[in-house]
Amino acid sequence: KAGVTQTPRYLIKTRGQQVTLSCSPISGHRSVSWYQQTPGQGLQFLFEYFSETQRNKGNFPGRFSGRQFSNSRSEMNVSTLELGDSALYLCASSLVGGRANEQFFGPGTRLTVL
Amino acid sequence: AQKITQTQPGMFVQEKEAVTLDCTYDTSDQSYGLFWYKQPSSGEMIFLIYQGSYDEQNATEGRYSLNFQKARKSANLVISASQLGDSAMYFCAMREGTSGSARQLTFGSGTQLTVLP
Repeated sequence: KAGVTQTPRYLIKTRGQQVTLSCSPISGHRSVSWYQQTPGQGLQFLFEYFSETQRNKGNFPGRFSGRQFSNSRSEMNVSTLELGDSALYLCASSLVGGRANEQFFGPGTRLTVL
Repeated sequence: AQKITQTQPGMFVQEKEAVTLDCTYDTSDQSYGLFWYKQPSSGEMIFLIYQGSYDEQNATEGRYSLNFQKARKSANLVISASQLGDSAMYFCAMREGTSGSARQLTFGSGTQLTVLP
């Protein structure tokens, strides 16, 4: 069974640009969550999508947005990039309900904003 | 107040020895889950072990076990027979509520484990 995949793995952008990151969950997983990891703030929850609907959102500005498609693949978008957006962006997929507990992470997209 | 506290920024252990990584948590929910993840320098988060708040037995997965003390709100990870490949950052995380209601994880600041030959 293929794991969670994220594309691209590395990205370099300049301030003011926008970026779109993609995440394909494990087959059968319908929940996709996004996290930002920085040396200063650690791992912070961005948002979660389930059945194409945003279910939960962390404390991030509106420049951070996302969506989920009918095949459960998810994208996150960051507009008007700032230097502080440089981070490792991780997505995690999981089953929902029942005895589903594990959340499996992808390899991450490392975004550098210059 | 921090919801997940990992008080050991760095730990060293001799190869083949056991090591305990500390984690305390804070929640008012009765139903919650506790997770441990390993993050090597490559960046990928590797799921290690899960403990539910209603689970009476401590979780075990191979060389990993979770020492769950509910009254003390602690969920320490024990790695037995450490291997050089265990050198990595380890994160404790909590999900409040059931997996059917929300999947958001709150992470601790991590512990950098170094296994010495």
